[in-house]
Amino acid sequence: SQQGEEDPQALSIQEGENATMNCSYKTSINNLQWYRQNSGRGLVHLILIRSNEREKHSGRLRVTLDTSKKSSSLLITASRAADTASYFCATEETSGSRLTFGEGTQLTVNP
Amino acid sequence: DAGVTQSPTHLIKTRGQQVTLRCSPKSGHDTVSWYQQALGQGPQFIFQYYEEEERQRGNFPDRFSGHQFPNYSSELNVNALLLGDSALYLCASSLGAGTVTDTQYFGPGTRLTVL
Repeated sequence: SQQGEEDPQALSIQEGENATMNCSYKTSINNLQWYRQNSGRGLVHLILIRSNEREKHSGRLRVTLDTSKKSSSLLITASRAADTASYFCATEETSGSRLTFGEGTQLTVNP
Repeated sequence: DAGVTQSPTHLIKTRGQQVTLRCSPKSGHDTVSWYQQALGQGPQFIFQYYEEEERQRGNFPDRFSGHQFPNYSSELNVNALLLGDSALYLCASSLGAGTVTDTQYFGPGTRLTVL
């Protein structure tokens, strides 16, 4: 069963704009991870944020985590056409355990 | 440094047949997890192998089985294929199941079509 729910399901923006995707989950977690998937291919790991962290940055990516609300957000700044992909959040409940994915957000960046 | 590799890339089978998918983990990793991703959905966890044993299992029937070899590579077997088994099968590797929080690195997947 899916734990996370991503919002929105689809997002279309212009190049240079920022994109924000949200993820909610149901159980206590050890960490939350964001992945990108291009056209039904393999998943590319973007960033991992642990349950005791509130914010993390990696290049143009900014992830926040609010464990009291069981939610996370992924911000992509200054988006590029190459950022067009599906983005998934995944939670890990205990260390080294399975990942539970949401349904994903389809991001389209128009040139 | 080789990443996670999977074979074959694509596979077409008919209902009732059996299929074997293969995965080689990223160099230095000892844990392999398998996921099924239906079209338009997020991946669903099938099972995880560590030290050649199945350590965790998702909500999948016994038709789905696996194996891990001493070199940490893994196979996913699906018997008595159903149309609903058509999906992208993803393999992920990591280090130290149950002991260390680590990123799971995914392979490119095997696209299985059941006719």
